Amino acid sequence: AQTIHQWPVAEIKAVGSPLSLGCTIKGKSSPNLYWYWQATGGTLQQLFYSITVGQVESVVQLNLSASRPKDDQFILSTEKLLLSHSGFYLCAWGTGVSYEQYFGPGTRLTVL
Amino acid sequence: GDSVTQTEGLVTLTEGLPVMLNCTYQTIYSNPFLFWYVHYLNESPRLLLKSSTDNKRTEHQGFHATLHKSSSSFHLQKSSAQLSDSALYYCALRDNTGANTGKLTFGHGTILRVHP
Repeated sequence: AQTIHQWPVAEIKAVGSPLSLGCTIKGKSSPNLYWYWQATGGTLQQLFYSITVGQVESVVQLNLSASRPKDDQFILSTEKLLLSHSGFYLCAWGTGVSYEQYFGPGTRLTVL
Repeated sequence: GDSVTQTEGLVTLTEGLPVMLNCTYQTIYSNPFLFWYVHYLNESPRLLLKSSTDNKRTEHQGFHATLHKSSSSFHLQKSSAQLSDSALYYCALRDNTGANTGKLTFGHGTILRVHP
């Protein structure tokens, strides 16, 4: 069975500080990977997607970047956090064939 | 580009009444593929329903939806709401460019609140 793990579970960070969020998928080879963001009280927005190692496409510009250093790992980062980065970050995996996506538990980010 | 519209931000219902959450979409592709995802509090979003062929009803966990290409709609329905149905519901449209990316365009989501 496939499992998806996100870390950390929650973060409280200062404006201007760096950020790195991680996501690991086990039990699935070469998945499509996605980063989503949900502002408090807001909607789900797809930020990035990756269909292979080393390739990441941006969907929404939020002064964030993403990388896929390994087949099963997806990293979301920024060098300088903004207050507007607060929210809930979700990682998901899927296959291009079915287009169903399976979400991780998420990371709650609070920027102060 | 593709877009998905969910007209209601919040739907409040009494338990036992029917549920209908609206979803319309825009795409240039003739064979759209739509999904409903449900996001319960303190859980991750998960797939609830996916569309089939035009005018064919799909069902899961008491919910159903029918893709109507003529009206570009994929409304979510349930005959009788339960308290446990309270959640955030997203309608999503699959990217159809043929690039096999799995990209989804989500609507803004509808919060369903069911009260006794």
